[in-house]
Amino acid sequence: AQSVTQLDSQVPVFEEAPVELRCNYSSSVSVYLFWYVQYPNQGLQLLLKYLSGSTLVKGINGFEAEFNKSQTSFHLRKPSVHISDTAEYFCAVSEDGGGNKLTFGTGTQLKVEL
Amino acid sequence: GAVVSQHPSWVICKSGTSVKIECRSLDFQATTMFWYRQFPKQSLMLMATSNEGSKATYEQGVEKDKFLINHASLTLSTLTVTSAHPEDSSFYICSAPGGQGYYNEQFFGPGTRLTVL
Repeated sequence: AQSVTQLDSQVPVFEEAPVELRCNYSSSVSVYLFWYVQYPNQGLQLLLKYLSGSTLVKGINGFEAEFNKSQTSFHLRKPSVHISDTAEYFCAVSEDGGGNKLTFGTGTQLKVEL
Repeated sequence: GAVVSQHPSWVICKSGTSVKIECRSLDFQATTMFWYRQFPKQSLMLMATSNEGSKATYEQGVEKDKFLINHASLTLSTLTVTSAHPEDSSFYICSAPGGQGYYNEQFFGPGTRLTVL
């Protein structure tokens, strides 16, 4: 069975500061990893995904994530955040390359302050 | 891009009534759709997998007689919450694999907020 751990439930950060949202996963097989963002009362939007190849993945809105197999991590980073990045961020894992049957972490609330 | 819509976006109903939520893939066909439930400040929990032309597959602990799923066509899946009670109040989100050109990616609807009084 697969699982995802997001240790930080909330991350406050000042505008223009860098941020890292942590994600660790466990799985007995190869995995496919995703980061989604959810704005209040909205569905999820895909930020980026790791399927194979380069371990550094770049996504939308200036976000990037690095897949680290030895540490079973897929941390999300952004060098300079904006007020509009305030949202809930979910890390997800799938053992199915088709992106089916996603298992989500508990989410991290990113709050960007002036 | 692949767009998934949900209707209604929010609904308030009385305890004991049934509520139907629609999930549509607007510009692509989806033989499979997924239904999730999200409690406030919590993650998405997969409830069931909706399969066009066959029965839905429910996750452990989800009452299939309570949450009826019908995948009527390649672009429509419905979730009916039967005899709703206040504990069924939640945010329900559907998703679908994007199909050709969007392999490995699911597209999510905007969600339906259900409040049972």
